[in-house]
Amino acid sequence: EPEVTQTPSHQVTQMGQEVILRCVPISNHLYFYWYRQILGQKVEFLVSFYNNEISEKSEIFDDQFSVERPDGSNFTLKIRSTKLEDSAMYFCASSAQGARGYTFGSGTRLTVV
Amino acid sequence: GDSVTQMEGPVTLSEEAFLTINCTYTATGYPSLFWYVQYPGEGLQLLLKATKADDKGSNKGFEATYRKETTSFHLEKGSAQVSDSAVYFCALPILQGAQKLVFGQGTRLTINP
Repeated sequence: EPEVTQTPSHQVTQMGQEVILRCVPISNHLYFYWYRQILGQKVEFLVSFYNNEISEKSEIFDDQFSVERPDGSNFTLKIRSTKLEDSAMYFCASSAQGARGYTFGSGTRLTVV
Repeated sequence: GDSVTQMEGPVTLSEEAFLTINCTYTATGYPSLFWYVQYPGEGLQLLLKATKADDKGSNKGFEATYRKETTSFHLEKGSAQVSDSAVYFCALPILQGAQKLVFGQGTRLTINP
């Protein structure tokens, strides 16, 4: 069964550093997403990407965040200057049918120290 | 706005006990409803879904019925197994705009032998 692949599985970074979280969505999917789960809390929507542009972003997704689909296969989330409160599990998801049929990746655990 | 509320956790049960995790929702219209499961150290997996009122979703011995009159989608299993220990999330899609998912806060379930 097709999978969404995320790398790395765990990243530790120093506060103020830039990080790039990588995702390879399912190849024929058109909708791409990033969600975040702070430890012990609910899964929160960050951003959606469709037709090579951001279609919606949450209030969490401020100027420190950006997304890119650089080569037609990868989908990246960049945090420009990490803060301690960015420590969370970040999930990438893709879908062929929008919210009716997501496939999630296994997540990247980001730890900011 | 649309939202999902789950029962507070954590929930601890003995093996073979009857399992129920409550979920209620607030939504405009009648969206599909989902249960996702997150096993320890893994990502989010779709457990089951129901697409319209009175539908019953089922998978791996779990069931949930979409109840319009009580705006509920409670997850049940007749005989819990140790391998069911995980965090369970109820979710509903926002079909307009970004096609995002709105999650409940998650319920951590532990099944003891």
